[in-house]
Amino acid sequence: EPEVTQTPSHQVTQMGQEVILRCVPISNHLYFYWYRQILGQKVEFLVSFYNNEISEKSEIFDDQFSVERPDGSNFTLKIRSTKLEDSAMYFCASSDEIQAFFGQGTRLTVV
Amino acid sequence: AQRVTQPEKLLSVFKGAPVELKCNYSYSGSPELFWYVQYSRQRLQLLLRHISRESIKGFTADLNKGETSFHLKKPFAQEEDSAMYYCALSGFYNQGGKLIFGQGTELSVKP
Repeated sequence: EPEVTQTPSHQVTQMGQEVILRCVPISNHLYFYWYRQILGQKVEFLVSFYNNEISEKSEIFDDQFSVERPDGSNFTLKIRSTKLEDSAMYFCASSDEIQAFFGQGTRLTVV
Repeated sequence: AQRVTQPEKLLSVFKGAPVELKCNYSYSGSPELFWYVQYSRQRLQLLLRHISRESIKGFTADLNKGETSFHLKKPFAQEEDSAMYYCALSGFYNQGGKLIFGQGTELSVKP
């Protein structure tokens, strides 16, 4: 069964550094999403992406964040100048217009 | 405001006992409601959608618009049901992807 794949599974970075989280959505899906879950809190929507542009974003998704689909398969989330409070589990998802399929997540730890 | 509330962080039952995981929501339009499950060290996966009205792994959930609830029920819990359960909603035409999650309820089924 096709799956959404995320790399790396765990990333540790110094505060102020840039990180790129990578996702390979399911190949025939057209809608892509990023979510995050801070430890002990709920899963929060960050951004949705369709037709090579952002279709919706939350208040969390400020100028520090950007998304890109650099080629036909990858979908990336870039976080510039990371802060301690960016430490969280980041989930990628893709949708077949009926339901969202989630990746296994990348745990980002900012030290 | 759009919100999903799961009042119980942890629900512990014995095998064979009935289970009800509570979910209440607040949404101004026509929502679509979901239950997602996350087994230990696995990804979030869709368990139920209200629109499909099906029973998966013995679980059912009925949308009650009057009470704005979408409680998840199973008459006889099994040990393999132990997992985190998340109630979520999206707008009706949101391609299933932009989701607002509840806090999650950890279900523990004891032998």
